[in-house]
Amino acid sequence: KNEVEQSPQNLTAQEGEFITINCSYSVGISALHWLQQHPGGGIVSLFMLSSGKKKHGRLIATINIQEKHSSLHITASHPRDSAVYICAVRPRDDKIIFGKGTRLHILP
Amino acid sequence: SAVISQKPSRDICQRGTSLTIQCQVDSQVTMMFWYRQQPGQSLTLIATANQGSEATYESGFVIDKFPISRPNLTFSTLTVSNMSPEDSSIYLCSVARGNTPADEQFFGPGTRLTVL
Repeated sequence: KNEVEQSPQNLTAQEGEFITINCSYSVGISALHWLQQHPGGGIVSLFMLSSGKKKHGRLIATINIQEKHSSLHITASHPRDSAVYICAVRPRDDKIIFGKGTRLHILP
Repeated sequence: SAVISQKPSRDICQRGTSLTIQCQVDSQVTMMFWYRQQPGQSLTLIATANQGSEATYESGFVIDKFPISRPNLTFSTLTVSNMSPEDSSIYLCSVARGNTPADEQFFGPGTRLTVL
């Protein structure tokens, strides 16, 4: 049973397109993370949120705690946004659970 | 935030040998974690590295296979012992300043290991 489900698994889009990646989870959580993993393997933390919405540059993350759902949006996508985006949830009093990631490829 | 470095960044090893991966943080942190990411899979926690005591291992991981050291609050090592091709993965060090939901986790650049 996958406690964190991401969709789509793979996404290819043209430069400039608006991108949405979705994350659904089945457990009660204290926080949700969006992470970016580059081809070399290193991971960068994009957002940590527990309610509402956060924005950083062209990235926007939203979460609906009641529906157990979060979305990551990228506006005006660029080839350098190509990476794997990972959703991870922090259950209350337990360790982080990671999704399998969404592989994003932005074509120039 | 915390800046994490890992050495080596990648390695190709022979079956039966061991590799030690180092993780260095630019500031003192309470929690240090080691993860494995097998090809096409999500991150799996191997163990939590505790300063001054033995690491706490997750189900399916044992100290003999993955010995861990944490001599201080900024450094840890993970050894992958007696390697087999199934150990080919990315190994990631992660840190957090505390262990509450408010404490964000930061991740290192990873070590890409290939076992022949």
